[in-house]
Amino acid sequence: QQQVKQSPQSLIVQKGGIPIINCAYENTAFDYFPWYQQFPGKGPALLIAIRPDVSEKKEGRFTISFNKSAKQFSLHIMDSQPGDSATYFCAASNEVRTGANNLFFGTGTRLTVIP
Amino acid sequence: EPEVTQTPSHQVTQMGQEVILRCVPISNHLYFYWYRQILGQKVEFLVSFYNNEISEKSEIFDDQFSVERPDGSNFTLKIRSTKLEDSAMYFCASSRQGYSPLHFGNGTRLTVT
Repeated sequence: QQQVKQSPQSLIVQKGGIPIINCAYENTAFDYFPWYQQFPGKGPALLIAIRPDVSEKKEGRFTISFNKSAKQFSLHIMDSQPGDSATYFCAASNEVRTGANNLFFGTGTRLTVIP
Repeated sequence: EPEVTQTPSHQVTQMGQEVILRCVPISNHLYFYWYRQILGQKVEFLVSFYNNEISEKSEIFDDQFSVERPDGSNFTLKIRSTKLEDSAMYFCASSRQGYSPLHFGNGTRLTVT
């Protein structure tokens, strides 16, 4: 059972563009939704996270939009830069029952930002 | 900035052999995790460990797998009898608390031949 579905699989944007990566989840018990960034040869690194009591969270150029009724959340990267080229993973967990960090990951989106 | 360190970076083993993957979590962290990523696929949760015992494990973490914190710094994942399908990148991670941000190591690529 695929708990978290992520799209697109890959994305190419020009520098300054706003890539949007989408995720959908099935389990209504999920209550913690982080995004991770992974560069080649490195482990995933936490970028930004949201809990379902808010519909949007911004940290720098990164914004999560969250739609609880649709069970969807998305990552927007404002003013994207070539250094943002990486693989992005959404994830979800049931923080209350199993802990925030027992995560179900999406399949990843490979983002390329062209200079 | 403190890091989670994993050794070795690449391990090649024959099917049926035992392997031990090693991790040194960040020193003041209390929660430890193993995840794996089969090439080109999503990252999958294996097990979480707190207070010297397993707190959660996934269906993947069967009797062939075990974890241990043999001393105050290391956290290990043992695969008793490796199978071809165990070939993957194995990530160790740690967090200060169960709800604190997760910090991943750079992974150990396990190749089973």
